[in-house]
Amino acid sequence: GAGVSQTPSNKVTEKGKYVELRCDPISGHTALYWYRQSLGQGPEFLIYFQGTGAADDSGLPNDRFFAVRPEGSVSTLKIQRTERGDSAVYLCASSLLAGGDGSPLHFGNGTRLTVT
Amino acid sequence: AQSVTQPDIHITVSEGASLELRCNYSYGATPYLFWYVQSPGQGLQLLLKYFSGDTLVQGIKGFEAEFKRSQSSFNLRKPSVHWSDAAEYFCAVGASGGSYIPTFGRGTSLIVHP
Repeated sequence: GAGVSQTPSNKVTEKGKYVELRCDPISGHTALYWYRQSLGQGPEFLIYFQGTGAADDSGLPNDRFFAVRPEGSVSTLKIQRTERGDSAVYLCASSLLAGGDGSPLHFGNGTRLTVT
Repeated sequence: AQSVTQPDIHITVSEGASLELRCNYSYGATPYLFWYVQSPGQGLQLLLKYFSGDTLVQGIKGFEAEFKRSQSSFNLRKPSVHWSDAAEYFCAVGASGGSYIPTFGRGTSLIVHP
């Protein structure tokens, strides 16, 4: 079946610009996560949705970062006034449930963001 | 808060040799534990997971991992490595209580020599 889809796969933008990264999770998965992966590092948590609401956004680095999931399916990560330090691979993952059942996360291939 | 340590940044093995990748976690209760593999330009693929029960867990591609509570470890093993196993491997821990947000280690890069 279809996995987690992320678009675009690559995004190059100039410093100061606004970008949107899209994630289409596996159908029926209620939990959706955004992680950021810098070169040589493991995925770093950004935000987690349960349904339409952000259950935990404690990983967002500052108020330039925002994410939405208005209908409980597709999510968009939005970055305002991009900085060169935002350059990384942004990973989206979904899971069937969240909480005590420990459902594994299913990852997309990521969006590589480069800020010049 | 939970945390994961993967002490080896790189591991080099010869094709056909055995493999063990180390993972140590910190969490106050019984955790959920995972190993993921990432090939260049790809997302993370789940190799195996531990929730409860048998401490020796079998995964895909011939991998297994053993949960050792006394050592807070969840090491990944494979008896005979293939060249196609060359990739980045990530250990992750998820809390069994509270907000379920898996935490990942920094990864171990596996290099396979012919």
